[in-house]
Amino acid sequence: EADIYQTPRYLVIGTGKKITLECSQTMGHDKMYWYQQDPGMELHLIHYSYGVNSTEKGDLSSESTVSRIRTEHFPLTLESARPSHTSQYLCASSDVRDYGYTFGSGTRLTVV
Amino acid sequence: QQQVKQSPQSLIVQKGGISIINCAYENTAFDYFPWYQQFPGKGPALLIAIRPDVSEKKEGRFTISFNKSAKQFSLHIMDSQPGDSATYFCAASMAYGGATNKLIFGTGTLLAVQP
Repeated sequence: EADIYQTPRYLVIGTGKKITLECSQTMGHDKMYWYQQDPGMELHLIHYSYGVNSTEKGDLSSESTVSRIRTEHFPLTLESARPSHTSQYLCASSDVRDYGYTFGSGTRLTVV
Repeated sequence: QQQVKQSPQSLIVQKGGISIINCAYENTAFDYFPWYQQFPGKGPALLIAIRPDVSEKKEGRFTISFNKSAKQFSLHIMDSQPGDSATYFCAASMAYGGATNKLIFGTGTLLAVQP
């Protein structure tokens, strides 16, 4: 049962378009994360947040930006999509007292 | 020192066999070692986890073995089933700066269990 929701599940969009990937969680978790996952499987952390108005860049450089205005919501925005942005994007959250992450089902983005 | 090295990259096991995936780490400050299972089209889901004060943890057919001195831990799947076919990630984390722990993931192992 998913407590973290990502929309859309699939998105095909043209080059140069602005897109926002939505991520919401109902668990009241303080910490949220965005990962990029290539077909080669590896998970790359691109953004994370430890609470409202807190955002940090991850280990993999990304042209995307994030915001955290509400605890439950952590959207990711690409101002101008490019084919190199084609990937799966996974959102996750964790409680400050729980080391475990809960992942969403992901958004598979294709930029044509 | 922040890396978690995972092997093998892919694994094929016959139904009923034992699947073994290994991970190694360098940072002795890591204090939590979970395994995640990911099916196609889904996000990773927590499968089983262990703390360094325990050498083994078993949940059903899944067992984590932990060797603190060698800085290694492994996932054993007993009586592997085709439904176990998925990608498995090991991970490690530590608490620092308060509650700002962050998981460090291995590179993943694609397991295929043949009927």
